[in-house]
Amino acid sequence: DAMVIQNPRYQVTQFGKPVTLSCSQTLNHNVMYWYQQKSSQAPKLLFHYYDKDFNNEADTPDNFQSRRPNTSFCFLDIRSPGLGDAAMYLCATSSGRYNEQFFGPGTRLTVL
Amino acid sequence: ELKVEQNPLFLSMQEGKNYTIYCNYSTTSDRLYWYRQDPGKSLESLFVLLSNGAVKQEGRLMASLDTKARLSTLHITAAVHDLSATYFCAVDITGNQFYFGTGTSLTVIP
Repeated sequence: DAMVIQNPRYQVTQFGKPVTLSCSQTLNHNVMYWYQQKSSQAPKLLFHYYDKDFNNEADTPDNFQSRRPNTSFCFLDIRSPGLGDAAMYLCATSSGRYNEQFFGPGTRLTVL
Repeated sequence: ELKVEQNPLFLSMQEGKNYTIYCNYSTTSDRLYWYRQDPGKSLESLFVLLSNGAVKQEGRLMASLDTKARLSTLHITAAVHDLSATYFCAVDITGNQFYFGTGTSLTVIP
């Protein structure tokens, strides 16, 4: 089945230690998104790729970076995680503008 | 700044009862989405509403969209425990960004 896969599902890191979260998709969608969702809050868009074009939200901290080496994969790099970065990170894909987004299972990040 | 507000934020309802969740948004959009999220899980797509007057139904849930009023509703009919979850509406006005509503946490009690 076509799907959005995130690895790992749970990630524990130490304060200030870089961490990378991975997302892959078999849907062959052009657009990939990263969202941050803190407890009891709505998902918040961090950035998205339309093909290779990177689009950063204005209020996304510089601490967050992303890479998309090919259509199928997208990575979220957190350069120096702080305690406030503990959250669920959701990857989503869509086939184009104004199209439905399909979400992966998420990676829950804990920062010690 | 776009605002997407849901009402109520928390809803506790008895099994068998009906209720409606409201989603208001502050700018023009023809597209609205409803998602369900179980605790600790990802978002599951429920409905995609693409035009004014759109109505979609799946099981005990029915969603509608009034773009002139900037309002979407999610109606629950004869609630069952399995519907307990958090429901989010989301508006897409730029073609690449979802603005999620505040979420409605639904608990269905026997």
